[in-house]
Amino acid sequence: EVQLVESGGGLVQPGGSLRLSCAASGFTFGSHIMSWVRQAPGKGLEWVSSIGTGRGVSYSADSVRGRFSIFRDDPKNTLYLQMNSLKAEDTALYYCARRSRVAVGDDYWGQGTLVIVSS
Amino acid sequence: EIVLTQSPGTLSLSPGERVTLSCRASQGLTNNYLAWYQQKPAQAPRLLIYEVSNRATGIPDRFSGSGSGTDYTLTISRLEPEDFAVYYCQHYITSSGTFGGGTQVEIK
Repeated sequence: EVQLVESGGGLVQPGGSLRLSCAASGFTFGSHIMSWVRQAPGKGLEWVSSIGTGRGVSYSADSVRGRFSIFRDDPKNTLYLQMNSLKAEDTALYYCARRSRVAVGDDYWGQGTLVIVSS
Repeated sequence: EIVLTQSPGTLSLSPGERVTLSCRASQGLTNNYLAWYQQKPAQAPRLLIYEVSNRATGIPDRFSGSGSGTDYTLTISRLEPEDFAVYYCQHYITSSGTFGGGTQVEIK
């Protein structure tokens, strides 16, 4: 069974840092593009960042570029999001998602980890 | 950067009705990488349609997608009680994955 379990969220002050993790199981993690998507309270979905396979190239949304970094550890089956210089507007539920290998779409999602940026 | 606009923001419908949701791109999409997701309260999104018109695994055939250029549509042929949710479109290119603002389908 495919599982994605996010962790690492919490309350952090503006300007602080946080590292999110997404532990994957039930599939060949290294063969899939992986992404982070966030959802602010009561708002819609916002794509944050994606990373390719292997020494895959990564991309990030303009809103987080230069502050957030996505990376992966394939032997550990884990996806990460390093978040620096956090702002109040980064407050959201952060989901990790797996890109299907046979379709351009994210076919499995975790349940999310909540990040609150507040003083 | 392509912007996706979904309309309407909210639809109030009854079970059994047919519903058509719109996703309009600010410029024509040069690939077919347009997906639709369903999200219910306190749940993660679920992939419904990928590459404009292909149903994801396990998605009932009452869901269908179509479109080209700047205009894309998700149709639910006959609303079931479990279909009341928020629906998002998403466009993928190599360097991003822009979402639309979502359409909420609520019970009338």
